[in-house]
Amino acid sequence: GENVEQHPSTLSVQEGDSAVIKCTYSDSASNYFPWYKQELGKGPQLIIDIRSNVGEKKDQRIAVTLNKTAKHFSLHITETQPEDSAVYFCAASKADSSYKLIFGSGTRLLVRP
Amino acid sequence: ETGVTQTPRHLVMGMTNKKSLKCEQHLGHNAMYWYKQSAKKPLELMFVYSLEERVENNSVPSRFSPECPNSSHLFLHLHTLQPEDSALYLCASSQDTSRNIQYFGAGTRLSVL
Repeated sequence: GENVEQHPSTLSVQEGDSAVIKCTYSDSASNYFPWYKQELGKGPQLIIDIRSNVGEKKDQRIAVTLNKTAKHFSLHITETQPEDSAVYFCAASKADSSYKLIFGSGTRLLVRP
Repeated sequence: ETGVTQTPRHLVMGMTNKKSLKCEQHLGHNAMYWYKQSAKKPLELMFVYSLEERVENNSVPSRFSPECPNSSHLFLHLHTLQPEDSALYLCASSQDTSRNIQYFGAGTRLSVL
């Protein structure tokens, strides 16, 4: 079955710097790759997603890139702010079971003021 | 506010107790999910319901018993749990099982003594 590896497990950056979180997946049939942000005491919230027919997607300070050949995708956060501090999860799913999101183990991002 | 409400937010129970977790979604969705979130592990999909019919049971022990009386409500009945069942239990919903985007509640933090 699908396996999603996420790195790093923790990441500490200075406010204003960029942060990059990387995920690799094992099943080449996966075609949907969302990123969720989980703040303390809250459930995961979708922040950006990408489908396999696109290589990059941007939404203000966040972007996701996808390399289908290498089977990895990354989350990029620019101009980080303290409110970006949270746990970020990547996930992958396939067209024939689109509801089955396979999650990575999470990255705890700390943005130091 | 994500439109998915879980109660209670915290629950402490003994191994011989019986308790229930409740989830309600106000999004008009037709699919609902239970996930287990343990520290430093990926989210684990437990159950999936589509239009009140269970479509996925991910080898979950029988001490966890889901119930979906209608498309807006989902319950997880707990009995004779083990300490290793202590975790954050998350409920999510999506428009239907063919749509990837899932909306999560804040979770119930369960401690089994």
